Amino acid sequence: ETGVTQTPRHLVMGMTNKKSLKCEQHLGHNAMYWYKQSAKKPLELMFVYNFKEQTENNSVPSRFSPECPNSSHLFLHLHTLQPEDSALYLCASSQDIRSTEAFFGQGTRLTVV
Amino acid sequence: ILNVEQSPQSLHVQEGDSTNFTCSFPSSNFYALHWYRWETAKSPEALFVMTLNGDEKKKGRISATLNTKEGYSYLYIKGSQPEDSATYLCASGGSTLGRLYFGRGTQLTVWP
Repeated sequence: ETGVTQTPRHLVMGMTNKKSLKCEQHLGHNAMYWYKQSAKKPLELMFVYNFKEQTENNSVPSRFSPECPNSSHLFLHLHTLQPEDSALYLCASSQDIRSTEAFFGQGTRLTVV
Repeated sequence: ILNVEQSPQSLHVQEGDSTNFTCSFPSSNFYALHWYRWETAKSPEALFVMTLNGDEKKKGRISATLNTKEGYSYLYIKGSQPEDSATYLCASGGSTLGRLYFGRGTQLTVWP
């Protein structure tokens, strides 16, 4: 247990659906991250939040919409996704963005059909 | 974008063998180098964070070295065990705060 919990673990959604991924951390960290891992590609940073404020958007399409209501929770809202968005989505947290030591959740395996 | 390369992509060894793999990264604007161990269906687990040139870190049978001037790190596993089977990821933190650039990982399989 890393102290970072993601739900759901698996998600299958149609291209017209709207769904959300949830991440919660119990580590008292102030920075949270969304990463994406597509097949045979490195982990790719999507969004960074520091003290609830978004500090980085790595040119992610607007069909992915993050939300950070407080330092412990991070959401990724999904709408009108494409099959190529199927991937493993990992959430991570760190003390703050100056601390690069990140603690990861187990990920959500997303399949878009 | 930082280009982080790992080799080999996969490795199969026999129980008891010692093994090592490589992570290479751009040496300019170096901030930190991380090694993670990622077992299937689990979270990536941090092994080491290294910042200083010449750094060596050890955790049980696993150790790592860092050369920031030439831009590489080695991860060594002594006397591999089946439970060491996992994907080993390295990531380099660049000058942009909060950003880690990951390699594709080395998938290690240890046969009993």
